[in-house]
Amino acid sequence: GQQLNQSPQSMFIQEGEDVSMNCTSSSIFNTWLWYKQDPGEGPVLLIALYKAGELTSNGRLTAQFGITRKDSFLNISASIPSDVGIYFCAGSSEPNAGNNRKLIWGLGTSLAVNP
Amino acid sequence: NAGVTQTPKFRILKIGQSMTLQCAQDMNHNYMYWYRQDPGMGLKLIYYSVGAGITDKGEVPNGYNVSRSTTEDFPLRLELAAPSQTSVYFCASSPLVSSQRTGELFFGEGSRLTVL
Repeated sequence: GQQLNQSPQSMFIQEGEDVSMNCTSSSIFNTWLWYKQDPGEGPVLLIALYKAGELTSNGRLTAQFGITRKDSFLNISASIPSDVGIYFCAGSSEPNAGNNRKLIWGLGTSLAVNP
Repeated sequence: NAGVTQTPKFRILKIGQSMTLQCAQDMNHNYMYWYRQDPGMGLKLIYYSVGAGITDKGEVPNGYNVSRSTTEDFPLRLELAAPSQTSVYFCASSPLVSSQRTGELFFGEGSRLTVL
């Protein structure tokens, strides 16, 4: 089935550093979502993007819906230890994304933060 | 705030056994989903439901069954468990927001299943 290419696969950074990760698709998406999964927990939505070029922030997190509609980026500024976890991108090419049944998920970026 | 509750959290099954993973949500969400997550892999949709009495297959439905008799509950049934079904299973729910936007997925804590 269709998959998103999410990179990097893993990152190990020092506390205070900025982090960037991205997802690319071979097809055009109408929705990009970024979720975070803490160890032993289910994913939690961080940011949702619905419009090409859209730039949205959630605290220290900023995500962008790429102009080509085939990619999205997530940046974390001034990382802290609680940023540790797996970050997933998810996207949908459905024109009417009334539910999540057509979401395609990336394989995740595992983030480790050294205090 | 209960949200999405899954039981059991851990289970070991022998090949050929059957079991049901329970999922309940108290947010009155229309949509419910079952995903499986394998190491290093993203989430794969097993089954979903758009409301009580309505279910449909996702990407990887073989070996599983679901039912949705109420808005709150969405159990996942494994018949004749196989080692390939060893995975972490997540139940999720989402509200109906609009036809143009996906409702946020609210996940349970997961059920870790091992089939030996």
